[in-house]
Amino acid sequence: EIVLTQSPALMAASPGEKVTITCSVSSSISSSNLHWYQQKSETSPKPWIYGTSNLASGVPVRFSGSGSGTSYSLTISSMEAEDAATYYCQQWSSYPLITFGSGTKLEIK
Amino acid sequence: QVQLQQSGPELVKPGASVKISCKASGYAFSSSWMNWVKQRPGQGLEWIGRIYPGDGDTNYNGKFKGKATLTADKSSSTAYMQLSSLTSVDSAVYFCARWGMVTPFDYWGQGTTLTVSS
Repeated sequence: EIVLTQSPALMAASPGEKVTITCSVSSSISSSNLHWYQQKSETSPKPWIYGTSNLASGVPVRFSGSGSGTSYSLTISSMEAEDAATYYCQQWSSYPLITFGSGTKLEIK
Repeated sequence: QVQLQQSGPELVKPGASVKISCKASGYAFSSSWMNWVKQRPGQGLEWIGRIYPGDGDTNYNGKFKGKATLTADKSSSTAYMQLSSLTSVDSAVYFCARWGMVTPFDYWGQGTTLTVSS
């Protein structure tokens, strides 16, 4: 079973600060199979970044994604208040087919 | 536009079963995998399984085999998830989510809150 470990679990950033969230994968996966979602207050998650580095529709360009193999990251170049949310990485490959990371809760200072 | 409309909140007794629905509109229902995701209060997202309405093919997270049964009705463009032998650990919000052509899980239902309590 592929396990995704996100760090940190909780963080706070000031407006304008650069933010990086990491997702460590227990076994190497294709970068096309690593995705990120944003969720606010347990409402429906939104697709955010797909295939490691492609921004979903409507996602601000201050967001970016990178990584390969077993290490991936989501970066915000300049934190804004609206970015406060929980971010989940997700992979799909081998059994159990689709797994999510445990989430990173990002708060605004 | 694509919409996934889920059924309303459920309050059920331990040991009972419940069937949650997800009515799709705005796209070819039969041609996209429909996924189900569980989220316990204050916890993360957990993938339950998926169904391809076109032929009824299913894949399950092993953890939910025997707990969740996924079906789909093409005539009404509705996906269903039945949860059986309910206990308190099944209390959660359950989401349906479409597997998109470009972006995985591109559209989500609003979530159905299930509370298991006597």
